[in-house]
Amino acid sequence: DQQVKQNSPSLSVQEGRISILNCDYTNSMFDYFLWYKKYPAEGPTFLISISSIKDKNEDGRFTVFLNKSAKHLSLHIVPSQPGDSAVYFCAATGNTGTASKLTFGTGTRLQVTL
Amino acid sequence: KAGVTQTPRYLIKTRGQQVTLSCSPISGHRSVSWYQQTPGQGLQFLFEYFSETQRNKGNFPGRFSGRQFSNSRSEMNVSTLELGDSALYLCASRAQGSPTEAFFGQGTRLTVV
Repeated sequence: DQQVKQNSPSLSVQEGRISILNCDYTNSMFDYFLWYKKYPAEGPTFLISISSIKDKNEDGRFTVFLNKSAKHLSLHIVPSQPGDSAVYFCAATGNTGTASKLTFGTGTRLQVTL
Repeated sequence: KAGVTQTPRYLIKTRGQQVTLSCSPISGHRSVSWYQQTPGQGLQFLFEYFSETQRNKGNFPGRFSGRQFSNSRSEMNVSTLELGDSALYLCASRAQGSPTEAFFGQGTRLTVV
């Protein structure tokens, strides 16, 4: 049972444009969400997170939006750069982020083209 | 500040053997979690250790076990290896307390032949 879903396995975006990565979840106990970026042969790197008490969190070029009623979150990258090309994982946890277990989606491979 | 260190980076083992992977967390972090990444299943939680105690466990068979030492370093052991155990094994460390992200190591690539 996949509790966190990333339905788009891949996404291609032109440099300078907006990249939008989507994530859906089914477990209503999740109340803290994170995005990780992963390059081949490396561990995931934390990007940005959001608590369920917010609907938006912004950090530089990265913004995460949370729609609790739809159980949906998205990561916006503006403007997209070639170095953003990587696999992006959405993750969720409970207890406002203090729970130890992260449940990951299967990832979306982003390719930013010149 | 040094990051999470996992050793070895690569490992090849034969079916039926056992393997031990090591993880040194970020200094001061007492929580260490282990994840398995496979192409079909994505990143799946194995278990978490905090202050030498297993605090949470994922849905993996008993062949997968771990432990944590007093210096917070952790080891993961897989016995009676199967071909399906071939994966990237990732370790993550977290600071205790308020919401915080997990910091991952580079992983150990295990290949079972």
